[in-house]
Amino acid sequence: GAVVSQHPSRVICKSGTSVKIECRSLDFQATTMFWYRQFPKQSLMLMATSNEGSKATYEQGVEKDKFLINHASLTLSTLTVTSAHPEDSSFYICSAREAGFYTDTQYFGPGTRLTVL
Amino acid sequence: DAKTTQPPSMDCAEGRAANLPCNHSTISGNEYVYWYRQIHSQGPQYIIHGLKNNETNEMASLIITEDRKSSTLILPHATLRDTAVYYCIVSLAGNKLTFGGGTRVLVKP
Repeated sequence: GAVVSQHPSRVICKSGTSVKIECRSLDFQATTMFWYRQFPKQSLMLMATSNEGSKATYEQGVEKDKFLINHASLTLSTLTVTSAHPEDSSFYICSAREAGFYTDTQYFGPGTRLTVL
Repeated sequence: DAKTTQPPSMDCAEGRAANLPCNHSTISGNEYVYWYRQIHSQGPQYIIHGLKNNETNEMASLIITEDRKSSTLILPHATLRDTAVYYCIVSLAGNKLTFGGGTRVLVKP
């Protein structure tokens, strides 16, 4: 299957700082990427849909000014958690959509574990 | 997107086939059935998906009933590395995926 990478895999930061997470599709182009977060013992929750060259679409209850998403190229989307606080500590996972004539599948990155002190 | 219902957990014997059921009685005609699994502290891994016909790949087989209201994921020879949470998701192609609770599968020696 197609490969999606995330960087960093783990980050620890102080409260009030901003953290940027990168999501890359390594062997395909993705016009659409998705950002999820997962709290311990819970399922994945979609945060936003990121379309290349346009503004992201945020799910209800997700603050767009706090979680900045940029999808400037067909292989890269970034999520910036601004002014992070301990309650933002979570496992952030991206997925990228591979769409072609014979396939339309989302592939997930390995996730980024954010800990805010 | 249509909602799915899966058993919360199941045990499987190593080396035996694992059959994971999923109900999706409100699925619409152009919605696909996707299966992913998540091993602890990793991102979900794509397994297989289908629309109407049964599908097979190197990981698993997907059996979809004729009325499309339910499906079964089959892992032909479960190994200890197949221990994971398995998610059955119904969605339009390319649409966002809504994750439910999934089935926690424990493969035992």
